Amino acid sequence: SQQGEEDPQALSIQEGENATMNCSYKTSINNLQWYRQNSGRGLVHLILIRSNEREKHSGRLRVTLDTSKKSSSLLITASRAADTASYFCATRSGNTGKLIFGQGTTLQVKP
Amino acid sequence: DTEVTQTPKHLVMGMTNKKSLKCEQHMGHRAMYWYKQKAKKPPELMFVYSYEKLSINESVPSRFSPECPNSSLLNLHLHALQPEDSALYLCASSQDWEKTQYFGPGTRLLVL
Repeated sequence: SQQGEEDPQALSIQEGENATMNCSYKTSINNLQWYRQNSGRGLVHLILIRSNEREKHSGRLRVTLDTSKKSSSLLITASRAADTASYFCATRSGNTGKLIFGQGTTLQVKP
Repeated sequence: DTEVTQTPKHLVMGMTNKKSLKCEQHMGHRAMYWYKQKAKKPPELMFVYSYEKLSINESVPSRFSPECPNSSLLNLHLHALQPEDSALYLCASSQDWEKTQYFGPGTRLLVL
């Protein structure tokens, strides 16, 4: 069963605008990761935030984590057409390699 | 070499066929994974191998049979599949089960 919920399900913005995606989960986690997937291809790892971290940056990406609300957000600043993709959050719990993915947000960036 | 490769890219098979999906990585990773992804859905974990031993089987039907011949290779043997098994099959690897997983491009499977 999937424990992550993401919203919005779909997001359409103009190039240059910021995009914010949200992820909620149900159980306690070790870390939360964000992945990007282009049109039915493999997933590309974007960023990992540990349960004891609140915010992390990587280039144009900013991720926040609120463990009290069991939620995370991914902000992409100054979006580009090449950012058009599906974005998934994934959580890891316990002592296994099991990742549980959220339902994903489909982002369209219009040139 | 920093990538996970998967072959074939596309596969069409009948319900009576036997086929295999292959995954390879040369990053020295000791954990490897199979995921199944249906259209417009997130990936779902099928199997995890850690140090060449099966550590997680997510109650996957026996018509899917994983194999890890060595630390670089992961196979998924398919037999007597159903049309609902049509999906994108993704392989991933990580240094160990705690580390970031790196995904291959996937094999798109169609079962007729």
